[in-house]
Amino acid sequence: AQSVSQHNHHVILSEAASLELGCNYSYGGTVNLFWYVQYPGQHLQLLLKYFSGDPLVKGIKGFEAEFIKSKFSFNLRKPSVQWSDTAEYFCAVNASGTYKYIFGTGTRLKVLA
Amino acid sequence: EPEVTQTPSHQVTQMGQEVILRCVPISNHLYFYWYRQILGQKVEFLVSFYNNEISEKSEIFDDQFSVERPDGSNFTLKIRSTKLEDSAMYFCASSGVAGARDTQYFGPGTRLTVL
Repeated sequence: AQSVSQHNHHVILSEAASLELGCNYSYGGTVNLFWYVQYPGQHLQLLLKYFSGDPLVKGIKGFEAEFIKSKFSFNLRKPSVQWSDTAEYFCAVNASGTYKYIFGTGTRLKVLA
Repeated sequence: EPEVTQTPSHQVTQMGQEVILRCVPISNHLYFYWYRQILGQKVEFLVSFYNNEISEKSEIFDDQFSVERPDGSNFTLKIRSTKLEDSAMYFCASSGVAGARDTQYFGPGTRLTVL
């Protein structure tokens, strides 16, 4: 069965620190990959997505992610976090030919001012 | 920017009662979805809906659940006889284009509490 793993459940960083959140999936076929963010009290918002092409994807608010097919990974990065990045981050995978997204458990990021 | 909206934001019901959760997808979208997230667990897919029929559903989506697009704007999830384990946050989503090469946009969720 398809699954998505996010290994970091809680991350605490100081402002200006660099961020990397891990995401691994298990599925042998073609996938589309997503990172969503949920700010406190708000809905899931798309940060970035990968369908094909350049495996390094740039999203909103300075976030980027790299698809490494050989490692089944799609890690999220940001060189310098801000207090406003405090939120929960979800990795999601969509297998080609299906409609459903499979989500990871989410990572709660807290950025200290 | 257009958004998916959901009502109510919080619904409390007694076990065995029927509930209807409502969603207004983005207006030009064609595909509609429901997901749920039990507290402390993953967001799980329930069902997708296109052209007035279910296109895909999970094993969670049993006979107690149904979906409907009663008019041109609303998309509803009905739970016929709620159980305690149905307590969760329910998210509606919509997307515009056929197939997997599109992005789902999520609503803010309805928190369902079954007592």
